[in-house]
Amino acid sequence: EVQLVESGGGLVQPGRSLKLSCAASGFTFSNYYMAWVRQAPTKGLEWVASITNSGGSTYYRDSVKGRFTISRDNAKSTLYLQMDSLRSEDTATYYCTRCYFDYWGQGVMVTVSS
Amino acid sequence: DVVMTQTPVSLSVAIGQPASISCKSSQSLVGTSGKTYLNWLLQRPGQSPKRLIYLVSKLDSGIPDRFSGSGSETDFTLKISRVEADDLGVYYCLQGTHFPNTFGAGTKLELK
Repeated sequence: EVQLVESGGGLVQPGRSLKLSCAASGFTFSNYYMAWVRQAPTKGLEWVASITNSGGSTYYRDSVKGRFTISRDNAKSTLYLQMDSLRSEDTATYYCTRCYFDYWGQGVMVTVSS
Repeated sequence: DVVMTQTPVSLSVAIGQPASISCKSSQSLVGTSGKTYLNWLLQRPGQSPKRLIYLVSKLDSGIPDRFSGSGSETDFTLKISRVEADDLGVYYCLQGTHFPNTFGAGTKLELK
């Protein structure tokens, strides 16, 4: 059974950093592109970043480019999202998803507030 | 960025009746491979999104054939032949052809 379990969320002050993790199981992690998608409270879904199966290429939405870094450790079957210089508008539930969006984690809440 | 225009914003449907949701993209979703990466997802209240349909019309495993997807290029439709109570939630279209990947704003399906 495919499972994606996010962790690392919480309350953080503006300008600070947070690193999310997504532990994958039930499939060969190194064979799949992965992505992070977020959802601000009461809002719709928004793609954040994607990474190729080898980790050799990454893609970001403009609003997080230069602040967020997506990475992966295929030996540990884990996806990461390093979030720096956080802003209030980054407040959202962050979902880890296997591309092409066929499996999703339960989500982890990130709140950016002073 | 590719804009996904999804209509209607909300839909009130009686059990057993059909429902239809439209999604129009601002540019063609046909990729260099010739495939069209248009997905439909359902987010039930309090849950993570779940993919229902991929590549325009292919049903994910376990999705009842009451659901169907159609369309091409820039114009796509999700149809539910007979709505059931379990179909409640917000439906999103999602294009995976171009970066940034983009979602429609969502259609909330409610029971009449």
